Amino acid sequence: GAGVSQTPSNKVTEKGKYVELRCDPISGHTALYWYRQSLGQGPEFLIYFQGTGAADDSGLPNDRFFAVRPEGSVSTLKIQRTERGDSAVYLCASSLTSNIGTTKGYTFGSGTRLTVV
Amino acid sequence: EDQVTQSPEALRLQEGESSSLNCSYTVSGLRGLFWYRQDPGKGPEFLFTLYSAGEEKEKERLKATLTKKESFLHITAPKPEDSATYLCAVQEIGGSQGNLIFGKGTKLSVKP
Repeated sequence: GAGVSQTPSNKVTEKGKYVELRCDPISGHTALYWYRQSLGQGPEFLIYFQGTGAADDSGLPNDRFFAVRPEGSVSTLKIQRTERGDSAVYLCASSLTSNIGTTKGYTFGSGTRLTVV
Repeated sequence: EDQVTQSPEALRLQEGESSSLNCSYTVSGLRGLFWYRQDPGKGPEFLFTLYSAGEEKEKERLKATLTKKESFLHITAPKPEDSATYLCAVQEIGGSQGNLIFGKGTKLSVKP
């Protein structure tokens, strides 16, 4: 597609449940990024993939959060045992390469709004 | 302590009233400073990357400048369609290329 696609756009889940958030990057983009944005805050880095491998997962808050990108395209962010504090907009972005991401910026999707009740 | 601080938090301008947004940063080594625009319900949209003090970049009514401790986003003769939240982010030397540290943003409203 023309842009970064994230599904679902909204997700409401009960505390303790497992959720998966999907990101379809722009075709051919090798670098993929996950960020989390809470209300009134800037995006917060979670994890970044170069190809299939996680190049930097230092932003994942704890071991309940995990992300995969098995074929170097679509990525899934997985959250186990959700907590109310996980409520936020989860943003995915991609760039042709990580170097291009630095010089020409990332292309962000519109995000998945996760609400844990 | 926040590494990226943006001010003001919110700014209301009349159409045509020029102003500046500020982004101050405290990282030890700067690889790049980024400006993004974010509309409600959307992801951030890339505007500029600046790398070294003294550098300037322009796009339509926007001009970004960089010093050793801060960046300014100057908006000349703004229009209502410039209303958005403007986010500043930095990438540290020694940090990964995927890790941007964002400020909280400045919410700009331009009234006709």
